[in-house]
This record gives sequence, structure tokens and C-alpha cells, in this order.
Amino acid sequence: GAVVSQHPSWVICKSGTSVKIECRSLDFQATTMFWYRQFPKQSLMLMATSNEGSKATYEQGVEKDKFLINHASLTLSTLTVTSAHPEDSSFYICSASDSDTDTQYFGPGTRLTVL
Amino acid sequence: AQSVTQPDIHITVSEGASLELRCNYSYGATPYLFWYVQSPGQGLQLLLKYFSGDTLVQGIKGFEAEFKRSQSSFNLRKPSVHWSDAAEYFCAVGYQGAQKLVFGQGTRLTINP
Repeated sequence: GAVVSQHPSWVICKSGTSVKIECRSLDFQATTMFWYRQFPKQSLMLMATSNEGSKATYEQGVEKDKFLINHASLTLSTLTVTSAHPEDSSFYICSASDSDTDTQYFGPGTRLTVL
Repeated sequence: AQSVTQPDIHITVSEGASLELRCNYSYGATPYLFWYVQSPGQGLQLLLKYFSGDTLVQGIKGFEAEFKRSQSSFNLRKPSVHWSDAAEYFCAVGYQGAQKLVFGQGTRLTINP
């Protein structure tokens, strides 16, 4: 149980385009999901907290207009990187919070490369 | 503010040897503590967690961790490592339950044959 999927697993896009990443909790409902960014050989940096049916909460320094988050259902959150630039290239990981176990379960990550 | 320190950036052990990965945290209240493992290019897999109760926690893949409040530590151990244990290990402290996680910098584990 407690499986979280992400799609796509990797994506290459041109500078200026937008990219959408999906995060799904497959076997539990998650009112709260999280989006992290991880640079090579570094730890995870929390970008935002996604709450079902309400606006996301962004961490300090994260541009909410650039990283659009939508959490329309209890099993799906999406992160859209708008007008992507090479500096947005990174590994993006989502997690879903299982309230029954008070634990975050992580997706496999999405490698974004912006050319 | 909450913080997590993993003092060892990189550890190398021989296959079959014992392992201990260190984790120290700073948190004012009773912490929720987690160990996650990340294989290259993958997401994080939960190894074990501590919320309360018995301070020695058993996890998956033969790992265990011990919570020591007096030392603000939550070290991860395994009596005999396998080549498949080579990965990055992250310690995390949760506050607001597990609604917020603060991660350590990670420890990269290399296994010598």
C-alpha cells in the first residue's frame, strides 16, 4: 500500500514552454500533497504544500506564478512549470500525506531538462 | 527552528559489515522522525519512523533506528549490509505531525564487495 506515482518520469522541453507534472496517490486519499525540488547530490527542498480544494502554500522564495499547483481531487495534484528556463532544470519529487499513518509517501520523481 | 544534521556525507563499508548512519535533530517538541532511502534517479522510500513508544524502531530491509532524546539523535543501523543497500539515506524530522518535513543533507552509502 501507500503508493504514489508521478508522470512523466522525465521530460525535455524548450525554453519558454510550460510543463505539467502529475502526482497521484494510488491506494489512499491525500488531502495534502507536497512538491519538492532536488538538485544533484543535494537534499530535498520543499517548494509548496498542495491542499485539496484550496490554494497551495508556497515556501519562501518559490514563485507561485511560475510553479502553478492544482489539487483538484483527493488523489491528484499537478505542478505546472510555466515559461520554463534552463535554470528550472531539476528533479521534482512529490509526496502525499496519508493522514491514517501520519506519514508522507514519495513519488519516483520527474527529471525536467529545459533546453 | 527545526533542523536535521547528518554528519557523514559519504560512508563506505564492506558487504557483510555492520552499518550505522548518524542523524541529529533540533526540535523543541517531541519529534516525528523518519529515515528514507533514495536509489539513483528514484524517489524516496520510507525505511522506518518513530512517533512515540519503544525507542528502538524496526524497519524494512533489516534496518533499525534508535531514538535517544538525551542526545537528540535517531541513528540508523543494520547488522550486515548487502550490495543492494548502496543508496542515499535521508533522515527527516516532521512537525505539525508529518505535514512538514525537514530533511538532513543525506548520507551516500557505498558498499565494497
